[in-house]
Amino acid sequence: DAKTTQPPSMDCAEGRAANLPCNHSTISGNEYVYWYRQIHSQGPQYIIHGLKNNETNEMASLIITEDRKSSTLILPHATLRDTAVYYCIVRANLNTNAGKSTFGDGTTLTVKP
Amino acid sequence: DTAVSQTPKYLVTQMGNDKSIKCEQNLGHDTMYWYKQDSKKFLKIMFSYNNKELIINETVPNRFSPKSPDKAHLNLHINSLELGDSAVYFCASSQHSGNTIYFGEGSWLTVV
Repeated sequence: DAKTTQPPSMDCAEGRAANLPCNHSTISGNEYVYWYRQIHSQGPQYIIHGLKNNETNEMASLIITEDRKSSTLILPHATLRDTAVYYCIVRANLNTNAGKSTFGDGTTLTVKP
Repeated sequence: DTAVSQTPKYLVTQMGNDKSIKCEQNLGHDTMYWYKQDSKKFLKIMFSYNNKELIINETVPNRFSPKSPDKAHLNLHINSLELGDSAVYFCASSQHSGNTIYFGEGSWLTVV
């Protein structure tokens, strides 16, 4: 599975959009981009995933560049409860080692009042 | 309804003891995992079972033995606990073909 690079920390004002970048320059054609977050003292929570098209759900939007070497997770209206560590991982679906992807250090997002 | 539940949530025990952490998922998934998150917050996979068969076994001391009595359960037994085993252990599950992984709330293990 491809490795990812994320900034260690970011701040965002409450109510504003939070844009979290992720670089995955060695991503393979069959690998998806997944985003998870971990709120303090809780288990990681799935947010969104995509292959090459932009995706949106009730939690966030995922923008993947055309060359698929980077992506951005967008939380459109960040709240204090969005303060968490955000992990970007890439892995192939239908893969027997699906869970083997290393989560990395992630980005600690702090939403401030 | 809790999708992936694990017990106990907190466990403090002495070195040398043997302990188990239980995990159950009610999502109907066929694949379950154990992850370890240490003090540096790095999340590492330990084991993965698909339909009760071991498919991922990372470099983990053989003091750690997973057991999957059925698709919905994956328990972790740890023998001869050491100080370095102190960590948060997360159980997770996914549908093999779907790969979105759903995590439990974690079990905080402290070895003293």
